[in-house]
Amino acid sequence: SQQGEEDPQALSIQEGENATMNCSYKTSINNLQWYRQNSGRGLVHLILIRSNEREKHSGRLRVTLDTSKKSSSLLITASRAADTASYFCATTGGYNKLIFGAGTRLAVHP
Amino acid sequence: DAGITQSPRYKITETGRQVTLMCHQTWSHSYMFWYRQDLGHGLRLIYYSAAADITDKGEVPDGYVVSRSKTENFPLTLESATRSQTSVYFCASSKLLENEQFFGPGTRLTVL
Repeated sequence: SQQGEEDPQALSIQEGENATMNCSYKTSINNLQWYRQNSGRGLVHLILIRSNEREKHSGRLRVTLDTSKKSSSLLITASRAADTASYFCATTGGYNKLIFGAGTRLAVHP
Repeated sequence: DAGITQSPRYKITETGRQVTLMCHQTWSHSYMFWYRQDLGHGLRLIYYSAAADITDKGEVPDGYVVSRSKTENFPLTLESATRSQTSVYFCASSKLLENEQFFGPGTRLTVL
């Protein structure tokens, strides 16, 4: 069963706009990660946020975590066409196992 | 620095045949994982390995077998392929004390 569920399933925006993706999960976590997948490629790690953190930044990425609501959000600011990809949240279980959500497909139009 | 590689990248096989997907990593990472990705399901864990000769089932292990005789290799075998195993398979690895996983490019498997 999947731990996380992303919302929305698909998002279409113009270059320069911000993109926000949300993720909900079911059980308590130690950390939550976000990955990006370009079409036909493997996943690439973007950012990890620990359960005792509320917000984390990396370049144009901002991740928030609300453990009371079991939810996280990924904000990409000033989107570029190159940000077009699928984005997945994943919670980490024992032995570093990841449980993924179904992902959000982001399309950024020039 | 090759990182993590998978072979073959594409494979077409027939129902009932045995197929082995290869995964090789050059970092000496302790953990290795196999996932399958299907439309609407995201990635689901098939098997994982914490070290050489230590493997365990993930969420969807039925019909698959793994081995890990060397730290750098983690082959996945479909003993008797079925059409439901048509999917994209990703191998990943991670360090012992870090949660970030590094993914291979994937193998697209079609079972006719």
